[in-house]
Amino acid sequence: ETGVTQTPRHLVMGMTNKKSLKCEQHLGHNAMYWYKQSAKKPLELMFVYSLEERVENNSVPSRFSPECPNSSHLFLHLHTLQPEDSALYLCASSQDKSAGVYEQYFGPGTRLTVT
Amino acid sequence: AQKVTQAQTEISVVEKEDVTLDCVYETRDTTYYLFWYKQPPSGELVFLIRRNSFDEQNEISGRYSWNFQKSTSSFNFTITASQVVDSAVYFCALNHNTDKLIFGTGTRLQVFP
Repeated sequence: ETGVTQTPRHLVMGMTNKKSLKCEQHLGHNAMYWYKQSAKKPLELMFVYSLEERVENNSVPSRFSPECPNSSHLFLHLHTLQPEDSALYLCASSQDKSAGVYEQYFGPGTRLTVT
Repeated sequence: AQKVTQAQTEISVVEKEDVTLDCVYETRDTTYYLFWYKQPPSGELVFLIRRNSFDEQNEISGRYSWNFQKSTSSFNFTITASQVVDSAVYFCALNHNTDKLIFGTGTRLQVFP
């Protein structure tokens, strides 16, 4: 595997379910990110991790819970989601967390549908 | 406030036409970075270019070129002799020396054969 991978690619879940999204980067980077991409809206940064420590939580509801067990893996745990949470969830990584200096590399995303 | 505006929601061209995607940004910082990303149908955003605020030289990479104009706060992207494989959503983004990238809403480019 190369670059940034995400699983699953597609997920349909009910509002009472609990599921997790997984992201893995094979680039030796120290920073990882979760973004939400909804139709006709700019990409929204959700969380930033640097060296496994969360450095930014962009006012995300608590029904989204990130976990970064090591610098290569990032999870997004989901529970009691709402239909408006349906979106493409993108994971990214960069060499370091200074977003201006280091470009971010993105995974293909997980298309989430909440029914 | 920092903001990126991509006024063109969707552009359609025929192969071999040149096309320019517009990006206008707002920031009060003197040090900032601008980016372009491409999002093909497969979903992942592909990094195309980074430019810092002190470097106004235009850049050319193959059929791609970028025109950075601080006077008009614009960072436009031109594809010369477009190809069907250029069909994608293109995002302009701004960073002002923080951990956050501020994205525009994207421009969907469709190149027809």
